Amino acid sequence: TQLLEQSPQFLSIQEGENLTVYCNSSSVFSSLQWYRQEPGEGPVLLVTVVTGGEVKKLKRLTFQFGDARKDSSLHITAAQPGDTGLYLCAGEEGNTPLVFGKGTRLSVIA
Amino acid sequence: ETGVTQTPRHLVMGMTNKKSLKCEQHLGHNAMYWYKQSAKKPLELMFVYNFKEQTENNSVPSRFSPECPNSSHLFLHLHTLQPEDSALYLCASSQGQGTGYEQYFGPGTRLTVT
Repeated sequence: TQLLEQSPQFLSIQEGENLTVYCNSSSVFSSLQWYRQEPGEGPVLLVTVVTGGEVKKLKRLTFQFGDARKDSSLHITAAQPGDTGLYLCAGEEGNTPLVFGKGTRLSVIA
Repeated sequence: ETGVTQTPRHLVMGMTNKKSLKCEQHLGHNAMYWYKQSAKKPLELMFVYNFKEQTENNSVPSRFSPECPNSSHLFLHLHTLQPEDSALYLCASSQGQGTGYEQYFGPGTRLTVT
């Protein structure tokens, strides 16, 4: 069974701070996705990374896929209250269904 | 607004009730999914339909019964549920099933079983 471990589980920071959240597995994935889920809503896809070592940027968010395609990180620069939410990573391998982590719940305080 | 709607948004039901959750997608997608999201657990895939045919049943108890009458609509029929079935039930759709197809999620139905 493929598992994705996300850390930290909870994170509360002040507006303007930087942060990094992690998604780790012992399994190799062909691609890894990051989602943000806000209260009362479903997850929304932020990015998909497919190549080992790949780095993608989305405004203040930087996503990295590990060289071995077993882990990923999400770095947020100068966090804002609008970044508050549950960040989920999900791994895909072949035609097997997406495997999700439990998520990191981020709270950015103004 | 992701193009995937779910009704009702909230549902409270007793263990002997029968109810149905509805999902509709306005994206022209061919694959639809039911997920269960519980506190302290990863998002769990329940069922997948592709072109109205069920392609995945992730060992879901028979008290959950899916129905996909066409590619735009997906139902989850519920009967004799247990309190541990209380969770957020999310519907998603994608253009196709398999690697590389982005899933679009609805807002979910918050189910409480009393």
